Amino acid sequence: EDQVTQSPEALRLQEGESSSLNCSYTVSGLRGLFWYRQDPGKGPEFLFTLYSAGEEKEKERLKATLTKKESFLHITAPKPEDSATYLCAVPKTGANNLFFGTGTRLTVIP
Amino acid sequence: NAGVTQTPKFRILKIGQSMTLQCTQDMNHNYMYWYRQDPGMGLKLIYYSVGAGITDKGEVPNGYNVSRSTTEDFPLRLELAAPSQTSVYFCASTLQARTDTQYFGPGTRLTVL
Repeated sequence: EDQVTQSPEALRLQEGESSSLNCSYTVSGLRGLFWYRQDPGKGPEFLFTLYSAGEEKEKERLKATLTKKESFLHITAPKPEDSATYLCAVPKTGANNLFFGTGTRLTVIP
Repeated sequence: NAGVTQTPKFRILKIGQSMTLQCTQDMNHNYMYWYRQDPGMGLKLIYYSVGAGITDKGEVPNGYNVSRSTTEDFPLRLELAAPSQTSVYFCASTLQARTDTQYFGPGTRLTVL
């Protein structure tokens, strides 16, 4: 059965304090792993797609990496505007939709 | 491009009332989805469509109906609203189901009292 588990559920960081968010997954034949950012009261906004183990992608202070079992979203020197919920998702096995994790709520304190 | 638009943004219903949540995309995407998001529960798929005239159930379809008469529009119908349908509803679309990015609308916050 497909599983996507994100940890921690919530994370509070001081501005400039780097950290990582984890997304572990269990699917039959990974066909991509997606990271989204969701601000309160808004829809998820696409950040990255990773397709194969060892792949890395960067955008400003964010870097996503992928292994055969998990993905990390590294946040370097975060700013308060990075505060949001970060969601990861994988294509559901044998289906035409994504399976989402429950997200990590990140708060960056000035 | 407006992307994915949803109306209304907020709605309060009484138990037993019905309503339609509207979703429109202008990206010529074949695949469209309806999710609900409850606190701490992540996004759950209600229904999806692979093209005009074709729809299928997701994980939590009970109490909902959909139709897809055009590529652009994918309305979600709630019949006989119940308090358990209090949630935030998101519509999304994508070009290819399994490997392409899903683009989300801004959501509809529904409360059933």
